Amino acid sequence: AQSVTQLDSQVPVFEEAPVELRCNYSSSVSVYLFWYVQYPNQGLQLLLKYLSGSTLVKGINGFEAEFNKSQTSFHLRKPSVHISDTAEYFCAVSEANTGGFKTIFGAGTRLFVKA
Amino acid sequence: NAGVTQTPKFRILKIGQSMTLQCTQDMNHNYMYWYRQDPGMGLKLIYYSVGAGITDKGEVPNGYNVSRSTTEDFPLRLELAAPSQTSVYFCASRGQEAYGYTFGSGTRLTVV
Repeated sequence: AQSVTQLDSQVPVFEEAPVELRCNYSSSVSVYLFWYVQYPNQGLQLLLKYLSGSTLVKGINGFEAEFNKSQTSFHLRKPSVHISDTAEYFCAVSEANTGGFKTIFGAGTRLFVKA
Repeated sequence: NAGVTQTPKFRILKIGQSMTLQCTQDMNHNYMYWYRQDPGMGLKLIYYSVGAGITDKGEVPNGYNVSRSTTEDFPLRLELAAPSQTSVYFCASRGQEAYGYTFGSGTRLTVV
C-alpha cells in the first residue's frame, strides 16, 4: 500500500525568502507524484506533477519540485515567496501500474508568508 | 468553463437527517471522486467512480452512498447524519489521459 508523509505541518517564512516543503512517500511500485495548493475556502488546485522523465518538475506560480527515487521524496521549492503564496499545500501519490486513478493525499503543510 | 460544481456550499444538519451533496462536471471526465477533509488529516477518499454505472468504496465509505447514472453527475448521499460526518466534502474528477484532479469548491457540512 502506498502512503505519503508531509514532514512539516506548518512553515512560517518571510516574504522574498526561499521555502522548501517536504514530502516523503512509500510505495512498492512506480508512482506518480503531485503537489496541490488550497487557498482559504477553496478547492485544491494542481501545482505540478511528476509522471516520468526529468526529475525536476516546474509548476505554476514559480514552484518546482524534485523527485528523488532513492530517498523516496518529492520536496516542493520556491526561491522567493510572496504574501499571496500563503495557503495549504498537499503532496499526493498514485500508483503508476493502475493508471494513477486513485490518489492518496498527505495531511498538508500550511505555509505562512510574513511581511 | 465551469469545471466541477458542488452544491450546496454550506449545510447544517440535525443528527439522523439525510441529505444529498450534488456534484456535476462538464469536462466529460470518466473518473470522479468524493473526499472529506478534516483539519490536520488531509483528504480521505470516500467513494470513487471510473465511469457511469460503476462505483467503488474508498478508505472511509461508512455512512455514505453514491450513484453514477450519468458521466456528468456523482451525488453523495448521507442517510443518517452523525456528528462524525461534520467535515468539508470535495468532489473531484479526472480525464482518461489527464493525470491530476480538478476539484470543486467544496461543501462545508455541520451535523448538530
